[in-house]
Amino acid sequence: DSGVTQTPKHLITATGQRVTLRCSPRSGDLSVYWYQQSLDQGLQFLIQYYNGEERAKGNILERFSAQQFPDLHSELNLSSLELGDSALYFCASSVDGNRQETQYFGPGTRLLVL
Amino acid sequence: GENVEQHPSTLSVQEGDSAVIKCTYSDSASNYFPWYKQELGKRPQLIIDIRSNVGEKKDQRIAVTLNKTAKHFSLHITETQPEDSAVYFCAASMQGAQKLVFGQGTRLTINP
Repeated sequence: DSGVTQTPKHLITATGQRVTLRCSPRSGDLSVYWYQQSLDQGLQFLIQYYNGEERAKGNILERFSAQQFPDLHSELNLSSLELGDSALYFCASSVDGNRQETQYFGPGTRLLVL
Repeated sequence: GENVEQHPSTLSVQEGDSAVIKCTYSDSASNYFPWYKQELGKRPQLIIDIRSNVGEKKDQRIAVTLNKTAKHFSLHITETQPEDSAVYFCAASMQGAQKLVFGQGTRLTINP
């Protein structure tokens, strides 16, 4: 157990819908990262938050957005869902947002868009 | 941007033999290289990492080597065991950035 929690574990929804994925980082970690894992694209970085502020952005679609709250948990919002959004979404956390350090991954949320 | 290539995509070895997985990166500014192990349906777990000021790092049966000039790094697993069967991912990140750029993964199978 990494100490990073994610809810829900599984999510099945329809095209065009909107979902929210939730992540709680390890105690003491200030930085949260979101990654998408699909069969054809591998593990792709989406976005990073550090202490409530957006720190870095990857290939995140405009239909996706995220935020980190004062209690440091983070939410990833996916809207106007398409079949191709079906994937495993991982959240990771690290202590700081300024140095390369270990990122601890949560168990992931498996999203299936039908 | 940074690109990480990983080879081979699948690797099958006999129990007790060694396994080697190789990665190359494109951006010479990359200076942190972790390796993650992912079992089926589970989260990626860090198994070892190396920074650019070090050429080699070892942890029991696992070692990582880094060649900055050639921009490649490798994972070595010795005396492989059935529980080593998993998908292994290499990754890289640059100074000043924490996002990890992952390779495509290697599915390692240990045959008893």
